[in-house]
Amino acid sequence: AQSVTQPDIHITVSEGASLELRCNYSYGATPYLFWYVQSPGQGLQLLLKYFSGDTLVQGIKGFEAEFKRSQSSFNLRKPSVHWSDAAEYFCAVGDGVTGGGNKLTFGTGTQLKVEL
Amino acid sequence: NAGVTQTPKFRVLKTGQSMTLLCAQDMNHEYMYWYRQDPGMGLRLIHYSVGEGTTAKGEVPDGYNVSRLKKQNFLLGLESAAPSQTSVYFCASSTLSGNTIYFGEGSWLTVV
Repeated sequence: AQSVTQPDIHITVSEGASLELRCNYSYGATPYLFWYVQSPGQGLQLLLKYFSGDTLVQGIKGFEAEFKRSQSSFNLRKPSVHWSDAAEYFCAVGDGVTGGGNKLTFGTGTQLKVEL
Repeated sequence: NAGVTQTPKFRVLKTGQSMTLLCAQDMNHEYMYWYRQDPGMGLRLIHYSVGEGTTAKGEVPDGYNVSRLKKQNFLLGLESAAPSQTSVYFCASSTLSGNTIYFGEGSWLTVV
């Protein structure tokens, strides 16, 4: 069964500092990987996704993530954090099979606080 | 383009009452999903559907029923609500490939 671990429950960074949120996954085949962001009381917004190809994926809002198969990781990074980035971030792995949709397994989330 | 729409957005139920959450998508997607989100647990898959007239169980299906009578709608039912079903419910839909998954805005359900 697939699983996702986000080891950091809470992270606090200063505005302008760099950010890295960790995500480790367990999946038997080539994974479909996603990062979502959720602001309080809101739905999920897709930041970026990886299916194949270039292991460094660019997303919206200046985020990027790197897929490392050898480490079973898909860490999210941003070079300079803005106060508006404060939110909860979820990593997810999908069991996508051609023509088979994509059932997602989510990590427990990392709450990001940004200090001004 | 509305995408994925969930109704109602907020609801308070008494233990034992029943209710139905409606998810509607206007993208002609084959796949639809219902997730629940609880503090510290991320989102967990309740049920999903691979097409009109078909449904399947996810990770946490107990206490819920679903139906997909029309391709664009996916209903989640609680026959006898319990406080443990207090949660935020998210509906999603995707193409056959699953490359793009669209989420609704969520439905906040409280069972007292």
